[in-house]
Amino acid sequence: DAGITQSPRHKVTETGTPVTLRCHQTENHRYMYWYRQDPGHGLRLIHYSYGVKDTDKGEVSDGYSVSRSKTEDFLLTLESATSSQTSVYFCAIKQGAGQPQHFGDGTRLSIL
Amino acid sequence: GNSVTQMEGPVTLSEEAFLTINCTYTATGYPSLFWYVQYPGEGLQLLLKATKADDKGSNKGFEATYRKETTSFHLEKGSVQVSDSAVYFCALSDQGNNQGGKLIFGQGTELSVKP
Repeated sequence: DAGITQSPRHKVTETGTPVTLRCHQTENHRYMYWYRQDPGHGLRLIHYSYGVKDTDKGEVSDGYSVSRSKTEDFLLTLESATSSQTSVYFCAIKQGAGQPQHFGDGTRLSIL
Repeated sequence: GNSVTQMEGPVTLSEEAFLTINCTYTATGYPSLFWYVQYPGEGLQLLLKATKADDKGSNKGFEATYRKETTSFHLEKGSVQVSDSAVYFCALSDQGNNQGGKLIFGQGTELSVKP
């Protein structure tokens, strides 16, 4: 299995609080991605990174920010969590163009 | 924009039955196509892929052929097992900017196999 660790695995928090999810990889892959999974929607891309300090928005980026200060870590931050951001969040990594993405085990986030 | 459409689930089959999960796509250019599988409580695992027209991806008895003329990538297995019960996602790779190769997913199809 690809060396991807997501933390925390589960989190419950309140509306309006900041939340940071971490994705850590040991594969030295260039590309990293954050998705959210919701019933009836499959997975939707939030943000992705194509190198250290290089990031871009996905289709559902509103309310989320990311940072990648080193190759192995990609952080997803909800500045002020809302109930609509209750979801399962998946991190993925990819070595290069044309290669498949490999996924972490996900973080289940509940915002009350 | 690019999109993927999968047949709706849940699909319920008896063990040893034949499986087909339909997937069609809309895309410009020549995307790569993937099937991912998700077991309960886990992340997505790559099941198989195809990178150009007429390619057949295969793994663990599953197969899918990249059909450009019908814009389809249907997943098939000749004889399913209880252990195949999972959610299956079809996806295409949208090259996008910076060669990020973003994946665009279908909504997923839940498969339940009964003994």
